[in-house]
Amino acid sequence: EVQVVESGGGLVQPGGSLRLSCVASEFTVSNSYMNWVRQAPGKGLEWVSVIFSDGRTYYADSVKGRFTISRDNSKNTLYLEMNSLRAEDTAVYYCARGDFDMWGQGTMVTVSS
Amino acid sequence: QAGLTQPPSVSKDLGQTATLTCTGNSYNVGNQGAAWLQQHQGHPPKLLSNRNNNRPSGISERLSASRSGNTASLTITGLQPEDEADYYCSAWDTSLSAWVFGGGTKLTVL
Repeated sequence: EVQVVESGGGLVQPGGSLRLSCVASEFTVSNSYMNWVRQAPGKGLEWVSVIFSDGRTYYADSVKGRFTISRDNSKNTLYLEMNSLRAEDTAVYYCARGDFDMWGQGTMVTVSS
Repeated sequence: QAGLTQPPSVSKDLGQTATLTCTGNSYNVGNQGAAWLQQHQGHPPKLLSNRNNNRPSGISERLSASRSGNTASLTITGLQPEDEADYYCSAWDTSLSAWVFGGGTKLTVL
């Protein structure tokens, strides 16, 4: 089945770090462009970052300098390294392929002391 | 990053037609088109129409997307109870090199 599955969420203190993973099945991550999108509780969707097949990466202003998107082609996995986390980063983080034609179930990140 | 503009809510009767709008500018919707997503409470979003106004396989023919200038529209005919959901539009912004989302429209089917 063609799908993506996120993991790595959890509770972290302000200023802390977390790494999210997104494992893809039945398609090749490096041949697609892949996004991270988040959704704070009760709020709308917010795009976080994208990595294109040629390796170019872009970020939302709200996470620039703190988050890093990457991929491991051998593991067919997308990552989001999150540093200097803030309370406002609390959200469900989704991995989404290309023009959002496939989404995972999401992983919850809670930043709180 | 400025987002796209969507009305917060739309209410229509069962069986009627709803048209949802999404307004951007010439850097995003105007030259890149907009994708439409549906999200039911507690579930991930689902793509309804890509930025070329094409429906993915399995999406109902009751849904159709279009664009006029900097405004994209999603029309849903013959409204059903299962159409009650949040709807988001999204477009690639060439000036920001970023995806921008609308704030979402909550569609209520009465």
